[in-house]
Amino acid sequence: EAGVAQSPRYKIIEKRQSVAFWCNPISGHATLYWYQQILGQGPKLLIQFQNNGVVDDSQLPKDRFSAERLKGVDSTLKIQPAKLEDSAVYLCASSLGQLSYEQYFGPGTRLTVT
Amino acid sequence: AQSVTQLGSHVSVSEGALVLLRCNYSSSVPPYLFWYVQYPNQGLQLLLKYTTGATLVKGINGFEAEFKKSETSFHLTKPSAHMSDAAEYFCAVSVDSGTYKYIFGTGTRLKVLA
Repeated sequence: EAGVAQSPRYKIIEKRQSVAFWCNPISGHATLYWYQQILGQGPKLLIQFQNNGVVDDSQLPKDRFSAERLKGVDSTLKIQPAKLEDSAVYLCASSLGQLSYEQYFGPGTRLTVT
Repeated sequence: AQSVTQLGSHVSVSEGALVLLRCNYSSSVPPYLFWYVQYPNQGLQLLLKYTTGATLVKGINGFEAEFKKSETSFHLTKPSAHMSDAAEYFCAVSVDSGTYKYIFGTGTRLKVLA
């Protein structure tokens, strides 16, 4: 069984530029999560999708971050414009459904904003 | 609201020694508890989980954890450390609130000394 795929693995941009991350969850997993992991901290949930609908985006900085999950499979997370404090690892995870407590994580995208 | 506290951001043990990583949680309802491991430049891998039933939970790579409700703890142990155990370990809590949202601790980096 293929795991959660993410790309790119690394990205370096200058502040005020835009960037997008892509995630392909495990086949058949209805729920998809995006986390932000700042160095020295635990992952923090940014947004949760159930199929192509948003379940929780309470911690997503909506003035600069956006995410979509068209067709309920792949998802993209965008930052526009980026700030220095957005430097972090962005993790994508998926689970079978909202009532499934086990999440499977991708390798993450390490973003450096200079 | 749920929260997780991991005592000790860095722990060093000698190869062959006992590993003990501490996790305390706060939750007003019965929690689901998880330990994840993260190797450099990789995503999070589930080590073990407690949902219901037996309070002593065995996971992969010889790790185990015990759920102690009276102490609100879920400490991770391994009888004998191996060099390959060097990684960062995250404790997470989740509750059944219609969706299983994870709250992560800040992580403990384990160093194994030869």
